[in-house]
Amino acid sequence: EDQVTQSPEALRLQEGESSSLNCSYTVSGLRGLFWYRQDPGKGPEFLFTLYSAGEEKEKERLKATLTKKESFLHITAPKPEDSATYLCAVQAEENSGGSNYKLTFGKGTLLTVNP
Amino acid sequence: DTEVTQTPKHLVMGMTNKKSLKCEQHMGHRAMYWYKQKAKKPPELMFVYSYEKLSINESVPSRFSPECPNSSLLNLHLHALQPEDSALYLCASSHSTSEWETQYFGPGTRLLVL
Repeated sequence: EDQVTQSPEALRLQEGESSSLNCSYTVSGLRGLFWYRQDPGKGPEFLFTLYSAGEEKEKERLKATLTKKESFLHITAPKPEDSATYLCAVQAEENSGGSNYKLTFGKGTLLTVNP
Repeated sequence: DTEVTQTPKHLVMGMTNKKSLKCEQHMGHRAMYWYKQKAKKPPELMFVYSYEKLSINESVPSRFSPECPNSSLLNLHLHALQPEDSALYLCASSHSTSEWETQYFGPGTRLLVL
């Protein structure tokens, strides 16, 4: 069974204090790993898709990396507007017993950035 | 443009009411999804439509009835819901389900069942 574990559950930072969020996953064959940002009461906003170990992607203050067992979302010099829940999800390869449409989500990391 | 729209934004209904949620996308995506999300939990998949045909029903109770009238539109018909069905209902779309594809989510409909 595919599993995704995110840590920490909650993270409080001061503005400008860089840090990383972790997403550990267990899947027979990884087709893709996705990062989303979700504000309270809103739908998840797509951030990144990573396909293979060693891949990195950046967007403004965010950088996502991927290894064979985990992904990190690095936040550099965060601002209060970066406060949100960050969700990680994996999509398994169809021939591994999973269905290639299905996303397995972690429980998310609630990030709070204080001014 | 990666926009998925959902209406209404908020819905309050009694247990005997019939209501519908609407989702629309104009990205040419051929796969559309309904998710249910409870507070402080990740989204849970309910239904998947692929090329306007229902391909997956994740053992959802029959009081939820999905419909895909065309490739851009997805509805969720609600009837005789229970208070525990109160949640954020999310629609998502992707290019297809035949390959991995990023799913883009709408803003959601906040449903309260009294």
